Amino acid sequence: IAGITQAPTSQILAAGRRMTLRCTQDMRHNAMYWYRQDLGLGLRLIHYSNTAGTTGKGEVPDGYSVSRANTDDFPLTLASAVPSQTSVYFCASSDSKAGGGYTFGSGTRLTVV
Amino acid sequence: DQQVKQNSPSLSVQEGRISILNCDYTNSMFDYFLWYKKYPAEGPTFLISISSIKDKNEDGRFTVFLNKSAKHLSLHIVPSQPGDSAVYFCAASVSNYQLIWGAGTKLIIKP
Repeated sequence: IAGITQAPTSQILAAGRRMTLRCTQDMRHNAMYWYRQDLGLGLRLIHYSNTAGTTGKGEVPDGYSVSRANTDDFPLTLASAVPSQTSVYFCASSDSKAGGGYTFGSGTRLTVV
Repeated sequence: DQQVKQNSPSLSVQEGRISILNCDYTNSMFDYFLWYKKYPAEGPTFLISISSIKDKNEDGRFTVFLNKSAKHLSLHIVPSQPGDSAVYFCAASVSNYQLIWGAGTKLIIKP
């Protein structure tokens, strides 16, 4: 089934630990995104990549890093997790056509304790 | 500075009646507007979009209206069904650059 796969689906992480959230798409979309969703704040963009080999910072990039070695994969790394990074993380992709929507993964629920 | 605002955190509507979800924006350069629907424990899914050159787009029970002079768009769902209960996000973009998202409105359809 074409779409976006995120892993893990949920994780409890000790503060200070390093964690990588995985995201893989099979639609050959150029652009990929990482969002966090917090109650009352909607979706906030963490990092994005317009094409393989390039990345950019979104609205809330601090504490996170990304890489885009190929078209399909866009991992998000928390170098040293803090409790404020407790959130639901969504990966998305788009084919950059005018008016085209994003396809989202099912999300990763991360709790930092 | 929120460029896309959904001022109602929640909305409750009787089954069979019309649901109207509202969204306001500040950037007159936005040229595409989209609505997404999100169920708990799932990612948002695309629902309907509208180009800034139109004022209405319809898809089955869902219609989006755009009022550019008021910088306002709305999503109408008629008739509302229990499966419509979800969080609805409004989003906008300039020349298909990154989407700017509203905070979402939780729609509850009462039986």
